Amino acid sequence: QVHLQESGPGLAKPSETLSLTCTVSGGSISSYYWNWIRQPPGEGLEWIGYFYYSGGANYNPSLKSRVTISVDTSKNQFSLKLSSVTAADTAVYYCARGGPYGYNIFLDYWGQGTLVTVSS
Amino acid sequence: DIQMTQSPSSLSASVGDRVTITCRASQSISNYLNWYQQKPGKAPKLLIYTASSLQSGVPSRFSGSGSGTDFTLTISSLQPEDFATYYCQQRYSTPQTFGPGTKVDIK
Repeated sequence: QVHLQESGPGLAKPSETLSLTCTVSGGSISSYYWNWIRQPPGEGLEWIGYFYYSGGANYNPSLKSRVTISVDTSKNQFSLKLSSVTAADTAVYYCARGGPYGYNIFLDYWGQGTLVTVSS
Repeated sequence: DIQMTQSPSSLSASVGDRVTITCRASQSISNYLNWYQQKPGKAPKLLIYTASSLQSGVPSRFSGSGSGTDFTLTISSLQPEDFATYYCQQRYSTPQTFGPGTKVDIK
């Protein structure tokens, strides 16, 4: 059974960089697509981007200038960095696996989510 | 970006009711439409993918239909554990986008 777990600071200061890690267990990260999605409190879902081991990263154009998603295969982890954060970036951040194998058609396994608050 | 809309935004229903939620895309997305269920404080859960395929482990009372721009999620007989918010998501083009959600609560 695949399991994903987000980790990282729950608080970020305005203008700084938000950094989160997603640890994957029960499956290799050297396959599938690995996504980040966020959800502001009380609001809907926004796709941030993905990393695919065989194809690199792809980002939401609305965030592209500030986002980096990378993978550490030795630790079976993938990471999100979002720079120059503002209060508008306050959200629950989810990591999720894209499936089926070799495609990113749906998000079938999700982490529990981690709330990041941007505040001075 | 492809815009997704859902109707209704919320509904009240009773256990045993048949519930239908509609999702509409701003342009044709073929059948690249997924449905998720989210309960408070939890991550979304995949229910239906590519418009009508039931995700493994999801009860058969959930079904999906549609293609092009108009899609529906149907719960044939609402159960207590089905009270949640439901989101549609298009995967036809990048960026993938979600609908605003439909909250199903107890009448």
